[in-house]
Amino acid sequence: AQKITQTQPGMFVQEKEAVTLDCTYDTSDPSYGLFWYKQPSSGEMIFLIYQGSYDQQNATEGRYSLNFQKARKSANLVISASQLGDSAMYFCAMRDFSGGSNYKLTFGKGTLLTVNP
Amino acid sequence: KAGVTQTPRYLIKTRGQQVTLSCSPISGHRSVSWYQQTPGQGLQFLFEYFSETQRNKGNFPGRFSGRQFSNSRSEMNVSTLELGDSALYLCASSTGTTVSSPLHFGNGTRLTVT
Repeated sequence: AQKITQTQPGMFVQEKEAVTLDCTYDTSDPSYGLFWYKQPSSGEMIFLIYQGSYDQQNATEGRYSLNFQKARKSANLVISASQLGDSAMYFCAMRDFSGGSNYKLTFGKGTLLTVNP
Repeated sequence: KAGVTQTPRYLIKTRGQQVTLSCSPISGHRSVSWYQQTPGQGLQFLFEYFSETQRNKGNFPGRFSGRQFSNSRSEMNVSTLELGDSALYLCASSTGTTVSSPLHFGNGTRLTVT
């Protein structure tokens, strides 16, 4: 069963505007972590932000914030004040311990974000 | 602090050959994971090593194997290459001790099988 779902294959945003990238997940484990990564065309995977299942507040890192809705099992990434350099593929990932898969990250299919000038 | 280093960056091999990819983790990181990335399948987990022991394994055939050395460096080997093995192979390291520890990725090795 797919554990991470990113329903937006592609998104467009105007420079300086905010954009939300969707991510829903599925797990039966009460302890889990959610991660967002950015992959520019160069191929490197860049860690952006982390949210733990027990964290009371939504995570923020500079222009990145995570809209964590536990009951809905969603962890959407919000990028404020988009820049041209934000154009990249964005992946949502989860780590849980269900099925004995300790410390493995499961990734979604990704969303290709294009920032227009 | 130096990041994760993967060598080589590019490889072209012929079907039936074998290949070895190398990964040097961030200093102090004891966990090394390997992922295969293709346009069709996305990012797929191959295996993870922690302190020289394979801790997790993905659903790949036995042609894919790996190992980790005492200095945490890791190698991945693919034997009897098939055309479908063409992919970007990403190595990532982490402390590997908490659910919150992120993976830090290298730039990847792009393998082309002809």
